[in-house]
Amino acid sequence: DAGVIQSPRHEVTEMGQEVTLRCKPISGHNSLFWYRQTMMRGLELLIYFNNNVPIDDSGMPEDRFSAKMPNASFSTLKIQPSEPRDSAVYFCASTKGQGPYEQYFGPGTRLTVT
Amino acid sequence: GNSVTQMEGPVTLSEEAFLTINCTYTATGYPSLFWYVQYPGEGLQLLLKATKADDKGSNKGFEATYRKETTSFHLEKGSVQVSDSAVYFCALGIMNRDDKIIFGKGTRLHILP
Repeated sequence: DAGVIQSPRHEVTEMGQEVTLRCKPISGHNSLFWYRQTMMRGLELLIYFNNNVPIDDSGMPEDRFSAKMPNASFSTLKIQPSEPRDSAVYFCASTKGQGPYEQYFGPGTRLTVT
Repeated sequence: GNSVTQMEGPVTLSEEAFLTINCTYTATGYPSLFWYVQYPGEGLQLLLKATKADDKGSNKGFEATYRKETTSFHLEKGSVQVSDSAVYFCALGIMNRDDKIIFGKGTRLHILP
């Protein structure tokens, strides 16, 4: 069974450009999470969805960040415009049921904004 | 509120040494407790878990016991290997509350051959 799939694995972009990160959760999982990891701030929860509905977006840093989950098998995290301080590894994770159950993490997208 | 505190790293040990990584928690309700591991260049993966007081989670030679009286969930391994070098995260979630898991800051472990 395929795990959580993220794309791209690496993204390098210039400041001011739009960046879109993609995630495909494990089939049958109904909660999806976006995290950001940096050396300075550690692992931060940005937003999570349950049954495609955003439940908690209190971790989204500012209006430049937006996330969508149009269906159970796909989610995007968009940054527009991007800034150098957005450079980080972004993880998507999914889980099943009424939790907390084990979260399955994707391999991450390493974003570098120059 | 709910939170997890774990010992700061990095922790450096020689191969075959005994490992303890301390973790304490603060929680309302009835938390489940987890240890996750992150190998270089990868996402986090569940190492072990315990869902109620006095439960012991174990996997790959690692163990942790849910201690309600001391609000702790310390990770231990009797004999570490170079391949155990990774970042370890203690975490908690509240049953029947929501699906969120609250992670500690992580402890980086280096094992020297």
